[in-house]
Amino acid sequence: GAVVSQHPSWVICKSGTSVKIECRSLDFQATTMFWYRQFPKQSLMLMATSNEGSKATYEQGVEKDKFLINHASLTLSTLTVTSAHPEDSSFYICSASRDRAGTQYFGPGTRLLVL
Amino acid sequence: AQSVTQLGSHVSVSEGALVLLRCNYSSSVPPYLFWYVQYPNQGLQLLLKYTSAATLVKGINGFEAEFKKSETSFHLTKPSAHMSDAAEYFCAVTAPGGSYIPTFGRGTSLIVHP
Repeated sequence: GAVVSQHPSWVICKSGTSVKIECRSLDFQATTMFWYRQFPKQSLMLMATSNEGSKATYEQGVEKDKFLINHASLTLSTLTVTSAHPEDSSFYICSASRDRAGTQYFGPGTRLLVL
Repeated sequence: AQSVTQLGSHVSVSEGALVLLRCNYSSSVPPYLFWYVQYPNQGLQLLLKYTSAATLVKGINGFEAEFKKSETSFHLTKPSAHMSDAAEYFCAVTAPGGSYIPTFGRGTSLIVHP
């Protein structure tokens, strides 16, 4: 149990376009979903935390107008990278949590390459 | 506030040797502690977690970790390394009663030599 899917697994887009990444908890309802960004050979950088039906909480330095997060249901959260630029190229990982300990169940990640 | 320190960005062992990955934490309250593993180009997978029950926690793939409050440590061990254990390992901490947002360590890359 506790499977999280992420789609697409990779995407290549032109600079200036928007890209939407979906994160779904397949067999449980997630109280909280998280979006991370990971640079090569580095740890996870938390971008934002979202709860179903409420606005996402963004970490300091993350542009909320650039990285739009929608948490439409207890099983689906989306991250939209608006007007993507090459510096947005990265590995984006979502996770979902369902317990009070904050155990994270991660999606497989989405690799974004902006040309 | 909470923090995690993983000593050693890289750990290299021979196949069959003991694996020891170090994690020290800082937390103002008794923490919840986690180890995650990340294989190349994949998300993270939960290996094991400590949530104030038994201090010796057994996880998947033969890994275990021991919570030592006096040392503020949660080191990950495996008696005998396998080639398939080569991956990036992350220690994380959350604080009960807080936001349950985890703080991750910087990761330790485990290299296994044949």
